Amino acid sequence: EPEVTQTPSHQVTQMGQEVILRCVPISNHLYFYWYRQILGQKVEFLVSFYNNEISEKSEIFDDQFSVERPDGSNFTLKIRSTKLEDSAMYFCASSAFGPKPAYEQYFGPGTRLTVT
Amino acid sequence: GENVEQHPSTLSVQEGDSAVIKCTYSDSASNYFPWYKQELGKGPQLIIDIRSNVGEKKDQRIAVTLNKTAKHFSLHITETQPEDSAVYFCAASGDDMRFGAGTRLTVKP
Repeated sequence: EPEVTQTPSHQVTQMGQEVILRCVPISNHLYFYWYRQILGQKVEFLVSFYNNEISEKSEIFDDQFSVERPDGSNFTLKIRSTKLEDSAMYFCASSAFGPKPAYEQYFGPGTRLTVT
Repeated sequence: GENVEQHPSTLSVQEGDSAVIKCTYSDSASNYFPWYKQELGKGPQLIIDIRSNVGEKKDQRIAVTLNKTAKHFSLHITETQPEDSAVYFCAASGDDMRFGAGTRLTVKP
């Protein structure tokens, strides 16, 4: 069964450093998403992406964040200058249709980002 | 923006009993309501969903109901099994998807 994959599974970085989180969405999906989950808290929407453009973004997704689809398979989230409060699990998701109205989104296993 | 409230935060049941988790949402424009199961160290897994033009949907032991007028929806799990133990999240989606805070379900053998 096709699945979303994410690398690395765990990333440790120092405050102020740039990190890139990578995702390979399900191959025939066209809509891509990033979410984050601070330990013990709810999953929070960051951004949706379609046709090489951001479709929607939340208030969390500020200028420190950017997304890119550098080739036909990868989808990346970059955090330019990490802060301690960026420590969280970051989930990538993809869907075949959407985002308005929303359709089934399939999540990857996540990348645990630890900022020290 | 959308705000999703989920109750209870923890739920413990005996194996074989039913479990019910309830959510409310605020944005009447939301039209898609998925439920996710998250096991420790894994990503959320879609288990069932419902759209705004449907009042109820069932898949084996899992059912979801939606009351658009009252803006609430519920997950029902019957004949619970220990492997149902996990954190369950509801979500409501219009322009983007907003999650509830989660319910930790424990099924005691």
